[in-house]
Amino acid sequence: KNQVEQSPQSLIILEGKNCTLQCNYTVSPFSNLRWYKQDTGRGPVSLTIMTFSENTKSNGRYTATLDADTKQSSLHITASQLSDSASYICVVSALGRSGGGADGLTFGKGTHLIIQP
Amino acid sequence: KAGVTQTPRYLIKTRGQQVTLSCSPISGHRSVSWYQQTPGQGLQFLFEYFSETQRNKGNFPGRFSGRQFSNSRSEMNVSTLELGDSALYLCASSLAGEWNEQYFGPGTRLTVT
Repeated sequence: KNQVEQSPQSLIILEGKNCTLQCNYTVSPFSNLRWYKQDTGRGPVSLTIMTFSENTKSNGRYTATLDADTKQSSLHITASQLSDSASYICVVSALGRSGGGADGLTFGKGTHLIIQP
Repeated sequence: KAGVTQTPRYLIKTRGQQVTLSCSPISGHRSVSWYQQTPGQGLQFLFEYFSETQRNKGNFPGRFSGRQFSNSRSEMNVSTLELGDSALYLCASSLAGEWNEQYFGPGTRLTVT
């Protein structure tokens, strides 16, 4: 069964500090992995998407890494800001599948990040 | 270009009632997917519509249904509401169903009492 596990479930850090969120998956065959940011009361917004051959991808202060061998991804946030407070969701797609079907996309339950001033 | 819009944004219903939620995709997008999001389960796929046809379906009971109109706008209906249906319902649109090009709407917060 395809699964995506995220850790920690929640995290509180001080403004200006760095943090790393983890995503482990068992989706097979793997196609790609996306990190979303979801502000409270809003829909998810894509931060990065990574394919099998990509190890690192950055989007401003967000850097995602992917280790396809160990089936792990991380999202590193540098110099956190109050606006980074949100839920971060890891989503993995299976190869050869389209749309959002049960065997197409597998969602993690997210990490709830709180940045304190 | 306007984003994905969902109406209403908030809704309170009682058990046993039915509800209809609406989603207007980004102009030109023909695929609309619906998701249920709860704190315990996270995001769960409900179904996807493309050119007025349901193309994919998640593991939800038949009380959850949807449809898509010729202008790509989509509606989702939940009949005989249960307390467990309380959730944020999100829709996402894409040009032709490419999951990695989905854009999410703000969601409809449904509370069942």
